[in-house]
Amino acid sequence: DQQVKQNSPSLSVQEGRISILNCDYTNSMFDYFLWYKKYPAEGPTFLISISSIKDKNEDGRFTVFLNKSAKHLSLHIVPSQPGDSAVYFCAASAITYALNFGKGTSLLVTP
Amino acid sequence: DGGITQSPKYLFRKEGQNVTLSCEQNLNHDAMYWYRQDPGQGLRLIYYSQIVNDFQKGDIAEGYSVSREKKESFPLTVTSAQKNPTAFYLCASSITVQILSGNTIYFGEGSWLTVV
Repeated sequence: DQQVKQNSPSLSVQEGRISILNCDYTNSMFDYFLWYKKYPAEGPTFLISISSIKDKNEDGRFTVFLNKSAKHLSLHIVPSQPGDSAVYFCAASAITYALNFGKGTSLLVTP
Repeated sequence: DGGITQSPKYLFRKEGQNVTLSCEQNLNHDAMYWYRQDPGQGLRLIYYSQIVNDFQKGDIAEGYSVSREKKESFPLTVTSAQKNPTAFYLCASSITVQILSGNTIYFGEGSWLTVV
């Protein structure tokens, strides 16, 4: 049973615009959330994370928002660049579980 | 250079054969993991190990086996019992299995396994 859900398999955004990737989770024990970026035939790389005690974390063009009551988080990329085209995985962690990943959202940033 | 090394990058296996994927890390991490990626399936956990000589099944362990005899090494054997082994396999490690602020998972470059 998928505990971390990314319901949009793909997203296309114009260069310079905002990209918003969404993630929902079902397990209320999750207390730490991460986003990973993955290019084809490579391993995922860590992008940004947020603890459940926060509702926002920002790192340059990337911001993650967490809504605990809705069990929802989102990744905002502003402005989007062609190099951001990749698959983005949402992941969630709890003290007693290994990291849980969503199915990923493929982002395409067009010129 | 610190990191995770997976080998081979590409591997072909005949049906009915076992095959072992190598994973070595020099990050001094206690925890190591194997994930499998299939199109549209995301990353699914096969096995993980919190410490040497210990490992636990993940969500899709059937048809796979692992060992953790050394801290640096966590090889994955895909046995003939695995019904659909063709996939992209990712090894990963972290300081501990509890992923919190200051501790994230680092991935290797992956290994493609194709059954012919």
